[in-house]
Amino acid sequence: DIQMTQSPSSLSASVGDRVTITCRASQNINNLLNWYQQKPGQAPKLLIYPASTLKSGVPSRFSGSGSGTDFTLTISSLQPEDFATYFCQQSYSTPLTFGPGTKVEIK
Amino acid sequence: QVQLQQSGSGLVKPSQTLSLTCAISGDSVSNNLAAWNWIRQSPSRGLEWLGRTYFRSKWYNEYALSMKSRISINPDTSKNQFSLQLNSVTPEDTALYYCARDFGGFGPWGQGTRVTVSS
Repeated sequence: DIQMTQSPSSLSASVGDRVTITCRASQNINNLLNWYQQKPGQAPKLLIYPASTLKSGVPSRFSGSGSGTDFTLTISSLQPEDFATYFCQQSYSTPLTFGPGTKVEIK
Repeated sequence: QVQLQQSGSGLVKPSQTLSLTCAISGDSVSNNLAAWNWIRQSPSRGLEWLGRTYFRSKWYNEYALSMKSRISINPDTSKNQFSLQLNSVTPEDTALYYCARDFGGFGPWGQGTRVTVSS
């Protein structure tokens, strides 16, 4: 199985801050990496696929980059509605696997 | 707009079978570009992919190895839905269960069903 790790596991940031979350795969997954946002009581929501394409309707302050084993999700200017948990997920091979999540909290 | 609506029991006794259904609107379970998945989430395991069904000239199923002996995911073309059956459940199967379409990433997701395994 491909193991996904994320760092940090949590972070505190202020509105307007630039935030970067890192995701690492245990083997090369090319660019087959998706990012999700999850708010309490809601299902995860797809933000970016694969690696760098913004899903329609997702604000342009979100961006993704990377290939191979190392990927990043960047929020260029954090907004109040962005406080949530973010997950990466590889779609390179089954079993499809998720990272453990990064919780973005208000400083 | 594609929507997934989950139904099924939220309380299952140990050793019995967990059964959930995901009804699809706005798309077809036979869409040969999509796959239909079950995913669960728990504090101890995080987000865990359980398996999927999809149509590519014929039907395919793929399951997580950890589930393979207990799980069955089946499409129902007459009702445009797909189902999850997990046999011989234990308290470790307690989780929030989601169905989700994979069409270049998982989305949309069902509303989630909180399943508790308890006598």
